[in-house]
Amino acid sequence: GNSVTQMEGPVTLSEEAFLTINCTYTATGYPSLFWYVQYPGEGLQLLLKATKADDKGSNKGFEATYRKETTSFHLEKGSVQVSDSAVYFCALMNYGGSQGNLIFGKGTKLSVKP
Amino acid sequence: EAQVTQNPRYLITVTGKKLTVTCSQNMNHEYMSWYRQDPGLGLRQIYYSMNVEVTDKGDVPEGYKVSRKEKRNFPLILESPSPNQTSLYFCASSKRDNQPQHFGDGTRLSIL
Repeated sequence: GNSVTQMEGPVTLSEEAFLTINCTYTATGYPSLFWYVQYPGEGLQLLLKATKADDKGSNKGFEATYRKETTSFHLEKGSVQVSDSAVYFCALMNYGGSQGNLIFGKGTKLSVKP
Repeated sequence: EAQVTQNPRYLITVTGKKLTVTCSQNMNHEYMSWYRQDPGLGLRQIYYSMNVEVTDKGDVPEGYKVSRKEKRNFPLILESPSPNQTSLYFCASSKRDNQPQHFGDGTRLSIL
């Protein structure tokens, strides 16, 4: 079946540190991959996406590359800010017939200290 | 402003008392979905709908019902709520099932 595994948090970094949040997936076929971000008290917002192998999604300084050979979609940012403190979810969507199920990882909480 | 609106945002109720959480989107999206978020489990899909009058079960449908009589609305119904349905619920929509989803702000349900 389809599943997403992401590194457990919480992750605590100082401002301007480099961020990596690991995400690996298991899926049949060719899923699309997403990173969502949830700020405190809010719903999820799409951060970036990639729809095929070797695609790189990027937004707000965050990047992730769809690596089919390692079934990974790690999230990176070169210099984090306090405002990046949030919970980050890796997710996949597989398509086939009428399937419309978005599968999420368990989330990684990031805290950035000034 | 494009948005997904859920109501209520917070609800405390008792076991067995039927409740409905409404979800409405103003983007003319075909696809809508309900998730629950629980600590240590992330988000899990309850039900989804590909279009009007088309609904299907997600990963954790037990104890829930949905309907999609109109394109903009996708209510979640708990006929006989139980304490294990205490959770944070999110509604989401997208233009089609293979497009990124827009999420509502969440509904926190406590079933006593």
